[in-house]
Amino acid sequence: EEQVVESGGGLGQPGGSLRLSCVVSGFTFDTYEFNWVRQAPGKGLEWLAYITASGYTMYYANSARGRFTISRDNARGSLFLQMNSLRVDDTAVYYCARFGSGSLSAFDVWGQGTMVTVAS
Amino acid sequence: DIQLTQSPSFLSASVGDRVIITCRASEDITTFLAWYQQKPGKAPKLLISGASNLHSGVPSRFSGSGSGTEFTLTISSLQPEDFATYYCQQLNSYLKFTFGPGTKVDI
Repeated sequence: EEQVVESGGGLGQPGGSLRLSCVVSGFTFDTYEFNWVRQAPGKGLEWLAYITASGYTMYYANSARGRFTISRDNARGSLFLQMNSLRVDDTAVYYCARFGSGSLSAFDVWGQGTMVTVAS
Repeated sequence: DIQLTQSPSFLSASVGDRVIITCRASEDITTFLAWYQQKPGKAPKLLISGASNLHSGVPSRFSGSGSGTEFTLTISSLQPEDFATYYCQQLNSYLKFTFGPGTKVDI
């Protein structure tokens, strides 16, 4: 079964940093592009960042650009989201989502999410 | 930025009903549109990609149509497990993979 599992969530301080991680099983990590998506409590889905399979190209939503960095370590099969200058409104569940291969242009495999709470 | 709107935002329906959800894009996205289902406390689940391609394992009562700026998700006969929130997403622009605001389907 193809799975992704996020970790690294928890309580962060305003102005502080957190690093989220995502590991996969059941498929070859370094052949897929990935995304981070978040969902604030009671709100809709918000796409944050995308990274190519090689890790050389990244795109960000306006809300993430300049504060968040998506990266990956293909040798270790891991995806990351470095979150700096945290704000209270970054409180959300953060999902790692695989970008489908070939003609499947969609996010086809999602993790269960990791909760980030930003509060003092 | 490409904006997506969904209508209705909330839908009250009964088991067996035919349900239609509309997603409109602010500009032409050809068929780069996906639909997801999300139940409370769970991750979203892909239903439809490329506007009309049913994802593997998704029941055939779900179907998608449309192109350009107007798209629909149809559930032909609503089942108890279909009560959830549905999101559309545009993937036409690699700069921003926007989601729609969601449609909650409730009893």
